[in-house]
Amino acid sequence: GENVEQHPSTLSVQEGDSAVIKCTYSDSASNYFPWYKQELGKRPQLIIDIRSNVGEKKDQRIAVTLNKTAKHFSLHITETQPEDSAVYFCAANQAGTALIFGKGTTLSVSS
Amino acid sequence: DSGVTQTPKHLITATGQRVTLRCSPRSGDLSVYWYQQSLDQGLQFLIQYYNGEERAKGNILERFSAQQFPDLHSELNLSSLELGDSALYFCASSVEWTSTEAFFGQGTRLTVV
Repeated sequence: GENVEQHPSTLSVQEGDSAVIKCTYSDSASNYFPWYKQELGKRPQLIIDIRSNVGEKKDQRIAVTLNKTAKHFSLHITETQPEDSAVYFCAANQAGTALIFGKGTTLSVSS
Repeated sequence: DSGVTQTPKHLITATGQRVTLRCSPRSGDLSVYWYQQSLDQGLQFLIQYYNGEERAKGNILERFSAQQFPDLHSELNLSSLELGDSALYFCASSVEWTSTEAFFGQGTRLTVV
């Protein structure tokens, strides 16, 4: 089955800096790679996703890149703000299978 | 509001007991997933159902079982509870069999004492 590794487990940045979170996956058949944000005490919510036919996707301050050959994908957050502080999870799956999540990255943005 | 409803929100029970967690997926969603989130842990996949049939199993203990009913709501049954079962249990649903966004419920906080 799929296995997703996520690094780092914690990340502290200053407001305005960029943050990068990296994930690797094991199953080359996986073709869907979402990123979820979970604020304290709340449900995980999708912030951006990418499919295997695309190498990069951007949505305002958030971007995701995918390297299928190396089986890794990354989340990039630019111009970080205190409200970006949360736990971020990457995940991977293919059609008909469950989303398998990484262990999460706790991002702290200090002002 | 994601449209996924989980009940109850909080549950406190004693060791050895059995509980049932309930999930109603978004209208039209056929896939339901159950995840366990322990303190400082990620989202551990337990089990997946699609249109009433079990499709995938993750690290689900034999003491745990689940089902999806004809109206597509799902129940997760946890029996012979241990202290280590204390966790946040999330249900998520997605519309299709193919890879699409999964919408999470608010979770059920289970505390075993």
